[in-house]
Amino acid sequence: GAVVSQHPSRVICKSGTSVKIECRSLDFQATTMFWYRQFPKQSLMLMATSNEGSKATYEQGVEKDKFLINHASLTLSTLTVTSAHPEDSSFYICSARVAGQNQETQYFGPGTRLLVL
Amino acid sequence: GNSVTQMEGPVTLSEEAFLTINCTYTATGYPSLFWYVQYPGEGLQLLLKATKADDKGSNKGFEATYRKETTSFHLEKGSVQVSDSAVYFCALSDLLDQGGKLIFGQGTELSVKP
Repeated sequence: GAVVSQHPSRVICKSGTSVKIECRSLDFQATTMFWYRQFPKQSLMLMATSNEGSKATYEQGVEKDKFLINHASLTLSTLTVTSAHPEDSSFYICSARVAGQNQETQYFGPGTRLLVL
Repeated sequence: GNSVTQMEGPVTLSEEAFLTINCTYTATGYPSLFWYVQYPGEGLQLLLKATKADDKGSNKGFEATYRKETTSFHLEKGSVQVSDSAVYFCALSDLLDQGGKLIFGQGTELSVKP
């Protein structure tokens, strides 16, 4: 149980285009999802916390207009990188908390590798 | 604020060797502690967790004990395998502090040679 999927797993795009990444909880409902960014050989950096039905809470230094987050249902959150640039190339990972249970445990998706040319 | 410190990697071991990856934390409250593992090119998988002092988390031969007196949560395994090669992240979460955000250590890369 507690499986989280991400789509796509890998995406290459041209500079200036927008890319949408989906995060789904497959076998549970998630009131809260998190979006992280990871650079090579580094730890995860929390970008934002996404709550179903409300606006996301962004960490300091993360541009909310550039990284649009929508948590439209209890099983889906999306991250859209708008007007992507090469410096946005990174590994993006989402996680989800099981609603109503053990709120401190997060289950992670497999990640999406974004390369902006 | 809360923080997690892990021993630096990479750690290179021979198969069947004993593994210890040190993790210490700083927290103002009573956090839960976690070990996550990341295999190459993949996301993170929860390896084990402990929610209160003296709890021992265990999974797949890995163990870690929540030591409040030393603020530590060291990861151990008695006999590592090549398939254990991965990056290991220690993390803490406190619902009463920052809404339970996961605070990660910097990660420790483990490489197990046949």
